[in-house]
Amino acid sequence: GQQLNQSPQSMFIQEGEDVSMNCTSSSIFNTWLWYKQEPGEGPVLLIALYKAGELTSNGRLTAQFGITRKDSFLNISASIPSDVGIYFCAGCYSGGGADGLTFGKGTHLIIQP
Amino acid sequence: GAVVSQHPSRVICKSGTSVKIECRSLDFQATTMFWYRQFPKKSLMLMATSNEGSKATYEQGVEKDKFLINHASLTLSTLTVTSAHPEDSSFYICSASFRRMADIGEQYFGPGTRLTVT
Repeated sequence: GQQLNQSPQSMFIQEGEDVSMNCTSSSIFNTWLWYKQEPGEGPVLLIALYKAGELTSNGRLTAQFGITRKDSFLNISASIPSDVGIYFCAGCYSGGGADGLTFGKGTHLIIQP
Repeated sequence: GAVVSQHPSRVICKSGTSVKIECRSLDFQATTMFWYRQFPKKSLMLMATSNEGSKATYEQGVEKDKFLINHASLTLSTLTVTSAHPEDSSFYICSASFRRMADIGEQYFGPGTRLTVT
């Protein structure tokens, strides 16, 4: 099936730095979701976006639904050690509840001491 | 709220046997449940979509006779891997969703089941 183009693939940052990652698609999505996954666990929903242009925050996390509906970004401000993990974007043609999600390949966030 | 559980968390089975994985929504009624598969260091790939009381809809390339899905209630879906082979070894993750309003919904994932076929 189709996959989203997610970048960067990995990020090596220092604690306190801001992080930015994004996803693009050749198709229009009506819902964008951002998840975080830690080793051996299922993804945890971070932010859900339903309208083009929508900008939503969840604590230090901010995500935007691109105007073209073909892209989304996630920013993490002032990173802390517990932010380590793999972040996935996911798109859905419906509202996200009725159809399966198309996932990006993930961004592996590593915080250097 | 919106907690999804899976059982077992890990299973090792011999080639040729069948394995059943359960997915439960603990504190909500799921209108739809989904099954995904994830290989090491790879993304999640949708296998099938399941609505309570209906036959599952499988993604292209997923064998429905090999991966049997039963969605008996609004809180339980099961995935049975039949005649398992080593190439079926993977991380299987379910998700569940409910609709707050028309066409709006979010998916909540279970913790996953690590299947190893020897």
